[in-house]
Amino acid sequence: QKEVEQDPGPLSVPEGAIVSLNCTYSNSAFQYFMWYRQYSRKGPELLMYTYSSGNKEDGRFTAQVDKSSKYISLFIRDSQPSDSATYLCAMRENQGGKLIFGQGTELSVKP
Amino acid sequence: GAGVSQSPRYKVAKRGQDVALRCDPISGHVSLFWYQQALGQGPEFLTYFQNEAQLDKSGLPSDRFFAERPEGSVSTLKIQRTQQEDSAVYLCASSLGTLGGNTIYFGEGSWLTVV
Repeated sequence: QKEVEQDPGPLSVPEGAIVSLNCTYSNSAFQYFMWYRQYSRKGPELLMYTYSSGNKEDGRFTAQVDKSSKYISLFIRDSQPSDSATYLCAMRENQGGKLIFGQGTELSVKP
Repeated sequence: GAGVSQSPRYKVAKRGQDVALRCDPISGHVSLFWYQQALGQGPEFLTYFQNEAQLDKSGLPSDRFFAERPEGSVSTLKIQRTQQEDSAVYLCASSLGTLGGNTIYFGEGSWLTVV
């Protein structure tokens, strides 16, 4: 079993829909939780970052972390065709370098 | 430069050939990471440098893989005697500091195809 599990999709929604993306994890030492967006043939770019449990909102994006359930979510409101990309959850421990990624969820927003 | 720069962007190697992939991190960034991303998968950690010190190489899949960062800036990932299973995108990333809250910035990757 992988340390971080993410449903690979693909997920297809109409423009304007609310999108929910999720990851579960097994390592209770993870403290920093990120969502990266990756367009085709590009590197991942940081979208949202959350420390420990709680919610964080940035425009149309909301990230939630529930450490008791080892579950993180990303919500996208009023989705746009430009949101079509692969979304990767990632997490790391408080100290030390490496990010551990989920498999990525491919999202397509249809006009 | 403004971001993490990787070269070459695309590389086709014959099986058994050695390849070298270069990464120029963001200026002043202490931490540097290499990841391997297979098609349809998330990035998998390979190795991590703090300045010139290679602190974690637990993700290197075999002794054919070698990374260095001799002056604490540019890094090279070398793959010897390439195999077809080495075909993947190799991502380099850097961050300013070493603590968990520092943002990690990724390059666009080097796409390696072994034929």
